[in-house]
Parts: sequence; structure tokens; C-alpha cells
Amino acid sequence: QSALTQPPSASGSPGQSVTISCTGTSSDVGGYNYVSWYQQHPGKAPKLMIYEVSKRPSGVPDRFSGSKSGNTASLTVSGLQAEDEADYYCSSYAGGKWVFGGGTRLTVL
Amino acid sequence: EVQMVESGGGLVQPGGSLRLSCAASGFTFSSYEMNWVRQAPGKGLEWVSYISPSGTTTYYADSVKGRFTISRDNAKNSLYLQMNSPRAEDTAVYYCVRDSMATDAFDIWGQGAMVTVSS
Repeated sequence: QSALTQPPSASGSPGQSVTISCTGTSSDVGGYNYVSWYQQHPGKAPKLMIYEVSKRPSGVPDRFSGSKSGNTASLTVSGLQAEDEADYYCSSYAGGKWVFGGGTRLTVL
Repeated sequence: EVQMVESGGGLVQPGGSLRLSCAASGFTFSSYEMNWVRQAPGKGLEWVSYISPSGTTTYYADSVKGRFTISRDNAKNSLYLQMNSPRAEDTAVYYCVRDSMATDAFDIWGQGAMVTVSS
């Protein structure tokens, strides 16, 4: 059982928008603005997509955006493209440790 | 090019020991916090351990505390994970991961090293 709760799957058609939620507690997501999101394609290492709730690293398309309200963070992928099909994981700093969500498989229909 | 390359993975018996190594290049290794993150086959990501730039501060997940030890050699640009008394549930790909400065996000990942704990 993962510390953060994500839906196991999400899907959308090309061009549509999809939002993935990540629910924690006041000890992690709700207590710090250190929520990050990772994209992982099969057989590959994860890639940082969002850090500090809503910031994008250089090179990440602006189709990816993040937000947080209370104990729940969200990742939105707008203008879905075929290459966005992957597993997505949220993570949060939790005071001397880091916790991950169980992952969400995003399918582009 | 910024990269980390893990080595030392393989098959280890329950109760044995194994040391993973990670060679970093392309950045000032001694300035960065570093972590190990693992992924069991077909499962999600799990943070394992953290070490400060000087090596004086370390943190561990409860699942490995007392059995695993993280360390680093800044002169050799290397990170290590000593795995003692491994259990079957420690079977996973272990990633060496750089902590992005002051953001508590994992910005650079190695390719991973597979560790299988089995008799």
C-alpha cells in the first residue's frame, strides 16, 4: 500500500486533457510544497515532469501542469499526444523521507 | 552530459550482502544530495535512502532501516548502497537518483541496477 493515493488508470483521446490526482495527508502533500511528478515509459527510468507542485523543468512541454489543494495534488496533461502514454507517479517530501503514489497508467486512446 | 551509472546488481541469497555503486559524471557531485529509489518488478516506486552532500546526514525508509547503509565518496564521484540481510521483498531495480538543489525533487536518474534476492 503506497503512502500517496493515485487512480490506477486514466485515459483520453489525442488532443484532450486528462487530470491525475494524488491524495496524501497533512504530513506530506498538505504539509509541504514539495510535490513532484514523474513519467515512466516501459523499461525506462522515471523522468521528472513537475517539481514544487507546479514548476516545469527545462525541456518539459507546457502541456504538463501541476496544482495542489489541501492534501491533494493534481497533474494535468493537455493536448494529449501518443507519446504521453506512460505511467505517472507523484511524490512528496514528508519530513526526513519521501513518499510516492502507486502510479497511474495513462492510456491515449 | 549529466549521468549516473549503477553497478553491482545481481543475485544474492537471503541473509547475504551486496553493495551497489553509482558513478556520477557531468556535474559537481559533491554539491548534491543523493538518493536511492527502488522499483519491484511490476510495481511502483519506493524511496529507499538519502544522503547529504557531505555525507553527514542520512535517512532511510522504515523497510530498510538497520539493514541498508548509504554512503558516498566525493573524491570518486560515487554513491553506494550496502545491502545487508536482504529479504525476498528487497528484489527490485535500484535507481541512483540526484536530488535537484533546494527543490526536493529527483531530477536525474540512473538506468537502474537489478537486485534479485533468492536462494
